[in-house]
Amino acid sequence: SQKIEQNSEALNIQEGKTATLTCNYTNYSPAYLQWYRQDPGRGPVFLLLIRENEKEKRKERLKVTFDTTLKQSLFHITASQPADSATYLCALAGSSASKIIFGSGTRLSIRP
Amino acid sequence: EAGVAQSPRYKIIEKRQSVAFWCNPISGHATLYWYQQILGQGPKLLIQFQNNGVVDDSQLPKDRFSAERLKGVDSTLKIQPAKLEDSAVYLCASSPGVAGGEGETQYFGPGTRLLVL
Repeated sequence: SQKIEQNSEALNIQEGKTATLTCNYTNYSPAYLQWYRQDPGRGPVFLLLIRENEKEKRKERLKVTFDTTLKQSLFHITASQPADSATYLCALAGSSASKIIFGSGTRLSIRP
Repeated sequence: EAGVAQSPRYKIIEKRQSVAFWCNPISGHATLYWYQQILGQGPKLLIQFQNNGVVDDSQLPKDRFSAERLKGVDSTLKIQPAKLEDSAVYLCASSPGVAGGEGETQYFGPGTRLLVL
């Protein structure tokens, strides 16, 4: 069955360092992968989308890589800040935004 | 631009009762999604509409859950009868539904927190 895993439930890092979150999947050939941020008591907020034929995408301090051979995406936040503390979710989708599945999320804490 | 609206925000019911949730997507968005998010887990897609047609309802427990999207705009999700394991946050999301670019970006509402006692 299709499976998506995020590397750890929680990640704690020092302010200013780069946070790296991992998303691995099996039994799926996604057309694209997305990363979302979710704060407690709120719905997820879209951050970045990367397609199957793209290797890397950047947006300000965020960078996403996508390796369809390894079936893995890495999500990086550079120069991390306490305000980046949240749960980060990865999501896969097939063509026409079908068969969407979310990972369980990684709770990131940035300490001052 | 107004975001995705959901109501109610909170609901407490007893098992075997019925409950309904309402969602108003962003104006002009063709695709609407309902998700169930259990505490500590990621959202699980229940049903996906494209305009007022169903694209995917493979994970919707059809013996107790139903959803409709009248006129391709607002949507309601109903649970009848509710079970204890239905306690979760029910999230509605919408997207422009246009392939390419950021057309697949989902915009989520605040969710409805359901507690079944």
